[in-house]
Amino acid sequence: DGGITQSPKYLFRKEGQNVTLSCEQNLNHDAMYWYRQDPGQGLRLIYYSQIVNDFQKGDIAEGYSVSREKKESFPLTVTSAQKNPTAFYLCASSRTSGRGTSYNEQFFGPGTRLTVL
Amino acid sequence: AQKVTQAQTEISVVEKEDVTLDCVYETRDTTYYLFWYKQPPSGELVFLIRRNSFDEQNEISGRYSWNFQKSTSSFNFTITASQVVDSAVYFCALSEEETGANNLFFGTGTRLTVIP
Repeated sequence: DGGITQSPKYLFRKEGQNVTLSCEQNLNHDAMYWYRQDPGQGLRLIYYSQIVNDFQKGDIAEGYSVSREKKESFPLTVTSAQKNPTAFYLCASSRTSGRGTSYNEQFFGPGTRLTVL
Repeated sequence: AQKVTQAQTEISVVEKEDVTLDCVYETRDTTYYLFWYKQPPSGELVFLIRRNSFDEQNEISGRYSWNFQKSTSSFNFTITASQVVDSAVYFCALSEEETGANNLFFGTGTRLTVIP
């Protein structure tokens, strides 16, 4: 089945440790995105990537890093610099949509709930 | 500045009642897109509808209907004859063509609870 997978669904880490969240898609989409969701705040964009080996910061990139070595994969690392990392993280993908082009719908994965102890 | 406002934080209705979820947006772009997503307890966002700024025609899909009014910058969502399975958080979102699909601005969501 085509779709987006995120693993694990629940993740616990000690404060000060880096942690990497996985996101894989088999939809052949060029663009991928990472969002953070906090209670009562909706979704906020962390990073996005329009194409392999390229990515851009979103609204709340501080304390996070990403890589895009393969089209199918867009892992997110939550570093120790992120002051409040406990949140629900959602990955999404879409066909390429650049500035001045028509929008392509984003498809979302099931999310990873990260808790930092 | 908030680009998408969902003033209703939580709504509770009894099954079979109709319910309208409000969404007000703000943009200077002449070409933009509006969306509704559903987030059930499982957490995954489910796409419901996309509407572009040039198409103000209202849309109906089964028990769901959407009312897009540029004059009031609103894109409201109505569920007719609500069911327990409609219980979820619903997000309205905006994308502006000038900035591309990279910036999908979400509202803070409305939690709908349908009581059996």
